[in-house]
Amino acid sequence: GAVVSQHPSWVICKSGTSVKIECRSLDFQATTMFWYRQFPKQSLMLMATSNEGSKATYEQGVEKDKFLINHASLTLSTLTVTSAHPEDSSFYICSATSGRAFNEQFFGPGTRLTVL
Amino acid sequence: KNQVEQSPQSLIILEGKNCTLQCNYTVSPFSNLRWYKQDTGRGPVSLTIMTFSENTKSNGRYTATLDADTKQSSLHITASQLSDSASYICVVSAIAAGNKLTFGGGTRVLVKP
Repeated sequence: GAVVSQHPSWVICKSGTSVKIECRSLDFQATTMFWYRQFPKQSLMLMATSNEGSKATYEQGVEKDKFLINHASLTLSTLTVTSAHPEDSSFYICSATSGRAFNEQFFGPGTRLTVL
Repeated sequence: KNQVEQSPQSLIILEGKNCTLQCNYTVSPFSNLRWYKQDTGRGPVSLTIMTFSENTKSNGRYTATLDADTKQSSLHITASQLSDSASYICVVSAIAAGNKLTFGGGTRVLVKP
């Protein structure tokens, strides 16, 4: 149980385009979902926290107009990178928690974004 | 400021040998500590999770220890296998922190045949 999926697993896009990444909790309802980005050889950095039906809370330094987060249901959150630039190239990972048992976060497999 | 420091940053071990990874934290008030394994290009996978009242927990060949007094944890890998090559991340959660986690920088382990 507690499986989180992400789609796509990798994407290559041209500079200036927008890219949408989906995060789904497959076998549980996620009260909260988190979006992280990870640069090579570095640890995960929290970008934002989203609760179903409400606006996401962004970490300091993360542009909310550039990284649009929608948490439309208890099993789906999306991250849209708008007007992507090469510096947005990174590994994006989502996680989800059901609010039970230590509020454990279950991580998705990640999405590799490359902006040309 | 909540921080999690891991050491070493990386290590190379021979297949079949044991190794121990260290984690020191300053997160307060402490809720729980987790060790994750992250393969290259994949998301983290939970190995163990411990509260302040637990001082050891095992998951197969992985054994984590926790000393809440000194705010230290270790992850011991026994009889390493090539598939143990990965990054191991120590993550600490604070009480009433909005579910936010404090991540260590990770230890990159390479197991050589």
